[in-house]
Amino acid sequence: NAGVTQTPKFQVLKTGQSMTLQCAQDMNHEYMSWYRQDPGMGLRLIHYSVGAGITDQGEVPNGYNVSRSTTEDFPLRLLSAAPSQTSVYFCASSYYTGELFFGEGSRLTVL
Amino acid sequence: ILNVEQSPQSLHVQEGDSTNFTCSFPSSNFYALHWYRWETAKSPEALFVMTLNGDEKKKGRISATLNTKEGYSYLYIKGSQPEDSATYLCAFLHSTDSWGKFQFGAGTQVVVTP
Repeated sequence: NAGVTQTPKFQVLKTGQSMTLQCAQDMNHEYMSWYRQDPGMGLRLIHYSVGAGITDQGEVPNGYNVSRSTTEDFPLRLLSAAPSQTSVYFCASSYYTGELFFGEGSRLTVL
Repeated sequence: ILNVEQSPQSLHVQEGDSTNFTCSFPSSNFYALHWYRWETAKSPEALFVMTLNGDEKKKGRISATLNTKEGYSYLYIKGSQPEDSATYLCAFLHSTDSWGKFQFGAGTQVVVTP
């Protein structure tokens, strides 16, 4: 069972480069989200989606774009990476009102 | 701003001892509280989804209670085992927020020593 799949698991970028973190789920969940995890900060919500074609901002959306063209996929785009975006990123999905299922995380370093 | 606070930040427990820790959240406009268990090098996994004041949930040796009127939830581990070592996260959802706009606490790191 695949669950929530994130790629890549590790990435090193230079300041100003762009990249996309991929997230796919095979559980037909309506809800998908992206979090970043920084020491002492807990998980902070970047963007989320309650269904295909619908996205909204979370707590820390600046510097990130998302789209949800299908139920399965929810990519996170960094248009111009900054050192402050060095973090571990988690994608999560759920049924409405259900528990979150997390991907394995993507560790991003921006030099 | 972290409206969801977990305490203590970390605790060390002897194998066999019981322990508990707290998640505090705004007492107004409650919708849901989740507890997650997060082992090192793995992803967070759900323990409990709690929605009603007075809820009590149990999974094996781990249980949780919820008091929405005063804005706190307790997680209890009975007879701690080394495999209980993990960071425990709570996640709070306001009723005024759309589904999915969770606020996570910073977590309580539990280390169980044999």
